Amino acid sequence: GIQVEQSPPDLILQEGANSTLRCNFSDSVNNLQWFHQNPWGQLINLFYIPSGTKQNGRLSATTVATERYSLLYISSSQTTDSGVYFCAVEVGSWGKLQFGAGTQVVVTP
Amino acid sequence: DARVTQTPRHKVTEMGQEVTMRCQPILGHNTVFWYRQTMMQGLELLAYFRNRAPLDDSGMPKDRFSAEMPDATLATLKIQPSEPRDSAVYFCASGLVYEQYFGPGTRLTVT
Repeated sequence: GIQVEQSPPDLILQEGANSTLRCNFSDSVNNLQWFHQNPWGQLINLFYIPSGTKQNGRLSATTVATERYSLLYISSSQTTDSGVYFCAVEVGSWGKLQFGAGTQVVVTP
Repeated sequence: DARVTQTPRHKVTEMGQEVTMRCQPILGHNTVFWYRQTMMQGLELLAYFRNRAPLDDSGMPKDRFSAEMPDATLATLKIQPSEPRDSAVYFCASGLVYEQYFGPGTRLTVT
């Protein structure tokens, strides 16, 4: 099956810093999403981005489908950005997502 | 503010007992997913439905797990009998076209 690898596994940032999270996938995909799981466990949909670039506030994402990777940028990080960021890609028929292991982000004041 | 809701939020039960988890998808969404999250396995898809019909339940242990969608506003996941290894957070998600929206999860502890 398709492999989804996220890096780095852990990231500690000081408030105000910028960072880049990476997601590599082993096969072509029709659907790629980024999620944030906050410290209370809630999974929040950040981006649907099978290709191209999108921005939402201080977060942006870029997927280069031909090279099988996606990047999530966090700018001017805040403590509320702490949590785990997951990349998920569609496997086979629509909706069946394969999740990566996540990147644990801790933003310190 | 449309959200996926799940009940109960927490459940502690003894091994061998039946557990039923419920999910109300976002109104108008035609696809419902059940996921399980554990430290060891991460997020795993257990089953999903489209227009209330089961599409794929290959991720689910068939001998003890069952998933149903009796109507468009309710999806259920049942474990009978429960085992300690079933301890996990169970998420329901719903979607319409491409994106999936997750509920808050049910944290299940089987002792």
